[in-house]
Amino acid sequence: DQQVKQNSPSLSVQEGRISILNCDYTNSMFDYFLWYKKYPAEGPTFLISISSIKDKNEDGRFTVFLNKSAKHLSLHIVPSQPGDSAVYFCAAKSQNTGKLIFGQGTTLQVKP
Amino acid sequence: DAGVIQSPRHEVTEMGQEVTLRCKPISGHNSLFWYRQTMMRGLELLIYFNNNVPIDDSGMPEDRFSAKMPNASFSTLKIQPSEPRDSAVYFCASSLGNSLNNYGYTFGSGTRLTVV
Repeated sequence: DQQVKQNSPSLSVQEGRISILNCDYTNSMFDYFLWYKKYPAEGPTFLISISSIKDKNEDGRFTVFLNKSAKHLSLHIVPSQPGDSAVYFCAAKSQNTGKLIFGQGTTLQVKP
Repeated sequence: DAGVIQSPRHEVTEMGQEVTLRCKPISGHNSLFWYRQTMMRGLELLIYFNNNVPIDDSGMPEDRFSAKMPNASFSTLKIQPSEPRDSAVYFCASSLGNSLNNYGYTFGSGTRLTVV
């Protein structure tokens, strides 16, 4: 059972446009959500997070939106840059266990 | 700090052989996690330790997998005997405390395992 799902394996956008990466979850006990970015041959690195008590968190070009009623979150990157090309993982923390559960990842390609 | 250090970076082994993956967490971090990355399931949590004690190993796929953390600065993930379906990238991550800080976990660069 995949508690965190990223249904789009890949996304391609033009440089300067907006990238929107989506993530759905099933467990209402998740209380914290994070996005990680992964380049080839490297480990995932933290990008941005949001607490379940908020619906938006912004950090520069990156904004995460949380819709608790829909159990959905999204990462917006604007404007997108070629250096943003990477695999993006959505992750959620269970307040019961403290474990981070990750999605399958979405490969973003930003074309110059 | 050098970050989370994993070795080897790449491992190619024959089916049936024993494989040992190693991890050195960030000094001072007291939680350590082993993840496996596959195309189908993304990053799967295999096991995690807190203060060197295994807390949850429910993600370990089968008895062929075992993990140890003999001290705060070292952990191993062993597969014996290895099978081709174990081929994946294995990541180790560490964090401070049971709860996340704003930055989540720090991951190592991973070990790419290929079992032929």
